[in-house]
Amino acid sequence: EAQVTQNPRYLITVTGKKLTVTCSQNMNHEYMSWYRQDPGLGLRQIYYSMNVEVTDKGDVPEGYKVSRKEKRNFPLILESPSPNQTSLYFCASSLSGGNYGYTFGSGTRLTVV
Amino acid sequence: GQNIDQPTEMTATEGAIVQINCTYQTSGFNGLFWYQQHAGEAPTFLSYNVLDGLEEKGRFSSFLSRSKGYSYLLLKELQMKDSASYLCVLPGYKLSFGAGTTVTVRA
Repeated sequence: EAQVTQNPRYLITVTGKKLTVTCSQNMNHEYMSWYRQDPGLGLRQIYYSMNVEVTDKGDVPEGYKVSRKEKRNFPLILESPSPNQTSLYFCASSLSGGNYGYTFGSGTRLTVV
Repeated sequence: GQNIDQPTEMTATEGAIVQINCTYQTSGFNGLFWYQQHAGEAPTFLSYNVLDGLEEKGRFSSFLSRSKGYSYLLLKELQMKDSASYLCVLPGYKLSFGAGTTVTVRA
């Protein structure tokens, strides 16, 4: 089944403790991206990747890192999480971005205390 | 840059029709998507318009006017399961989402 898999689904952590949210797709998509969703603000792009070793900032990249060492994986790294990063996170992939549809992961609800 | 406007909330009765409008501004148009998102779940694809006119897909239809920077999503024969947020989306490497229109369907 074609899908984007995110892990974990739920995570509660403490301020400053490094964490990684994983994202993997099995569709051989070139484009992958990360979003956060907060009440009243909608979905905002954090980082995106057009292919292996090619990444760029979205609208809200501060406090996040990403890497794209393999085509299928695009992890989101929070080196020192803070409470304002408490949010619902989604990973998405697309054949090549642009006007191709996007497939989203199931989401990761992160709480930083 | 890109800017997308859509209403925040709409309420309708089961079996009715609801039209969700979206106006947008973009420097380079590559089509427009509509996605559905139930609370706490991932967005799912509904429609894609790149040419002017109406695209019909079952109970859902989407319209585009590129000259007016305008699109709408039409939901017919509303069902309770259609209660969700509907997102107007401009594609691109820097994907742009509208804030979403929350539709509440009442019995």
